Amino acid sequence: DIQMTQSPSSLSASVGDSVTITCRASQSISNYLSWYQQKPGKAPELLIYSATSLQSGVPSRFGGSGSGTDFTLTISGLQPEDFAIYYCQQSYSNPITFGQGTRLEVK
Amino acid sequence: QVQLVQSGAEVKKPGASVKVSCKASGYTFTSYDINWVRQATGQGLEWMGWMNPNNGDTGYAQKFQGRVSMTRDTSINTAYMELSSLRSEDTAVYYCARRDDSRGYSRDCWGQGTLVTVSS
Repeated sequence: DIQMTQSPSSLSASVGDSVTITCRASQSISNYLSWYQQKPGKAPELLIYSATSLQSGVPSRFGGSGSGTDFTLTISGLQPEDFAIYYCQQSYSNPITFGQGTRLEVK
Repeated sequence: QVQLVQSGAEVKKPGASVKVSCKASGYTFTSYDINWVRQATGQGLEWMGWMNPNNGDTGYAQKFQGRVSMTRDTSINTAYMELSSLRSEDTAVYYCARRDDSRGYSRDCWGQGTLVTVSS
């Protein structure tokens, strides 16, 4: 199974800040990497697919980069609604695996 | 719009089975695989498996092999996930999600989740 490791596990930031979350795969997954946002009591929502492509309707302050084993999610100019948990997920091979999540909290 | 609507919360006793439904609308049901993912309270996301609604093919995570069954009824655009021999550790929110092959095999649409509580 491909292990996905996110860092940090939690992050404190203020509105207007820029933050970066990293995700590392235990083997190369090409660009088969997605990022999701989850708010309390809600289902995950797709933000980024194919490592760098922004899902329709997602604000342009969200950006993804990377390929192979190392990936990043960047949020430029945090808004109040961005405080949530973020997960990376690989779709390179089954079983599909997720990172453990990064909790983004208000400082 | 594309939507997945799941059945309501369930309470089951240990050893019982649960069957969760996921009704699709707004797209051609048979054109996209359905995945099931679960999340225990305060924990991360755990992938359970997939089903092809067109031909009924399935693939399950090894952890659930022998205990899970994913099926569908194309006449009502609904997918099902049945988990048997329930134990307390199966208490979780269960999500269905559509796999979009045109978007890097991402899960682009999710159901609202179904809470399954296993308690004696």
